[in-house]
Amino acid sequence: EPEVTQTPSHQVTQMGQEVILRCVPISNHLYFYWYRQILGQKVEFLVSFYNNEISEKSEIFDDQFSVERPDGSNFTLKIRSTKLEDSAMYFCASNRGQETQYFGPGTRLLVL
Amino acid sequence: EDQVTQSPEALRLQEGESSSLNCSYTVSGLRGLFWYRQDPGKGPEFLFTLYSAGEEKEKERLKATLTKKESFLHITAPKPEDSATYLCAVQSNSGYALNFGKGTSLLVTP
Repeated sequence: EPEVTQTPSHQVTQMGQEVILRCVPISNHLYFYWYRQILGQKVEFLVSFYNNEISEKSEIFDDQFSVERPDGSNFTLKIRSTKLEDSAMYFCASNRGQETQYFGPGTRLLVL
Repeated sequence: EDQVTQSPEALRLQEGESSSLNCSYTVSGLRGLFWYRQDPGKGPEFLFTLYSAGEEKEKERLKATLTKKESFLHITAPKPEDSATYLCAVQSNSGYALNFGKGTSLLVTP
């Protein structure tokens, strides 16, 4: 069964450094999403992406964040200058359109 | 503003002891309500989508129902492998972002 994959599974970085989180969505899906979950808190929406454009974003998704689909398979989330409060699990999700979003296993980001 | 409230926060059941989890929501216009299961350190795993009041979906020991204000996830004769956090999320007509509740942490003991 096709699934969303994410790399790396864990990332440790120093405050102020740039990080890129990578996702390979399910192959015939057209809509891509990033969510985050701070430890002990709820899953929060960051951004959705369709047809090489951001279609929706939350207040969390400020100028420090960017997304890109650099080729036909990868979808990335870049954090330009990480802060301590960016420490969280980051989940990628995808779907074909107006239905269920399928989530990846997540990248655990720790900012020191 | 859309809101999703799940109760209880935590639930401990004996194996075979049926119960229900609640998800209350307020949304400007409901596109869909989703139930996911999340194991520790893992991503949410899809269970059900409900679109309109009165709709019901079943899968093995789980049954999800929907009214205009809340959804229930009924667990019949649970087993220890049903232990997980169950997440409810709503999607409004204004977009495709999922708005999650904080989840119910379920522990089923033998």
